Parts: sequence; structure tokens; C-alpha cells
Amino acid sequence: SYVLTQTPSVSVAPGKTATITCGGDNIATKSVHWYQQKPGQAPLLVISYDDRPSGISERFSGSNSAHTATLTITAVEAGDEADYFCQVWDTSSDGYVFGAGTKVTVL
Amino acid sequence: QVQLVQSGAVVRKPGSSVSVSCKASGGRFDRYAYNWVRQAPGQGPEWMGGILPIRRRTQDAQSFKGRVTITADISTSTLHLELNTLRSDDTAIYYCTSSRNVAAGGSFDSWGQGTLVTVSA
Repeated sequence: SYVLTQTPSVSVAPGKTATITCGGDNIATKSVHWYQQKPGQAPLLVISYDDRPSGISERFSGSNSAHTATLTITAVEAGDEADYFCQVWDTSSDGYVFGAGTKVTVL
Repeated sequence: QVQLVQSGAVVRKPGSSVSVSCKASGGRFDRYAYNWVRQAPGQGPEWMGGILPIRRRTQDAQSFKGRVTITADISTSTLHLELNTLRSDDTAIYYCTSSRNVAAGGSFDSWGQGTLVTVSA
């Protein structure tokens, strides 16, 4: 089955840029979605098909190439501290796959 | 955007079954696709299966085939998840989600608040 690999944790200073990666075989051929999850809350969609849903800050952006998809958060704020998960649809298994998540810590 | 409200936390014994419901509001129920996702403590989300109510079509994840039943009641805008033969590792928070893009691969635009299912003897 298809596997998505995420770095377990990323630390970033306020005002800097956080880069969160999601590795997968030929992931560039897939649509990647990204979710933010804060403690005790349900996940929140932040990037859908490399685009931001309504209400999501312009500081969040997504890109996808070759074997790595990337979620970028610019001008990081304390409120961005959360777990971030990537998601794709795997045509070989006809199902959704999630990454294990990256915990973003704001220093 | 659809709002999703789920039923409350439950405790079940190993070998039994559990049913979780999810009521949708704020949008035309049959214009969305719905999926169930669970998340064990400290783990990433795991997709369980989905349903497209307008076509009465369901799709179950391989790892849950034979144990999960997903249904939708259009008249009450309510989704139901039933999981059988529970094990201790089924202990998790279970979420219902909705997708405006009903094609396979659509993102999960809205999420319910989650239902904690605890499996314990």
C-alpha cells in the first residue's frame, strides 16, 4: 500500500518560515491535502489541491513535485503550533492515506 | 459549509460492536460525500470508509472490510458508522467528515467534533 512519510517534528522561531514535507512515491501525480490539528481539536483543512480553503491565512501554501509534497507556513505565529498531516488518494488500493504527522513547535 | 455533530463517547467490551452517528446541517445533505476517519492516541488519522448518499454507494478501507458498515439516512441528514468485533486497539477518536468534491480523492472540508470509543474489559 501507498506510504506517506513525514518528519516527526519541526521547530521554528516566530516570524520565520516552517517547511513541512510529505514524501511518497511519485507523489507529484497525486492531489495532496493538508490538515492542521491542535490539541483536543478535530483536524482542520488548510490546503486542498494546493489551494487554500476560505478563511485560511495566506501564510499557508502547498506545493508538490517528484516524490515530495511541501506545506509552507511563512511568518510563523504562536497560533500555528500544531500537528500537520498530509493526505492523498491511493488509486491502487482505492482509499485515502494519511501521513503520520509533523509536530510544529514555535520556539 | 456543512456542520457535523456526532454522538457522545462510549465504552464497549472486546468482541462487541459500536455505532456512532453524525448529523449534518447547513447544506444539502445529498450534495456531499462523507467519510469516517479514526485517530488512536498519539497516532495519525486512519481512513475507515466513505459514502456517497445520493448514489447509495459506499467504499470501505481494506483494513476494515467485513467489520465496518457505513450508512446514510437522507431523510434525517444523518450518517452512521458501525464497527463490529471490537478489539482494544480500536480505542480511538472517531470522526465523520464531509467533502464538497464528491469525486474520489476530494479533501475533507468539514469534520465532526469526534467521538471517543473506548474498548475495555
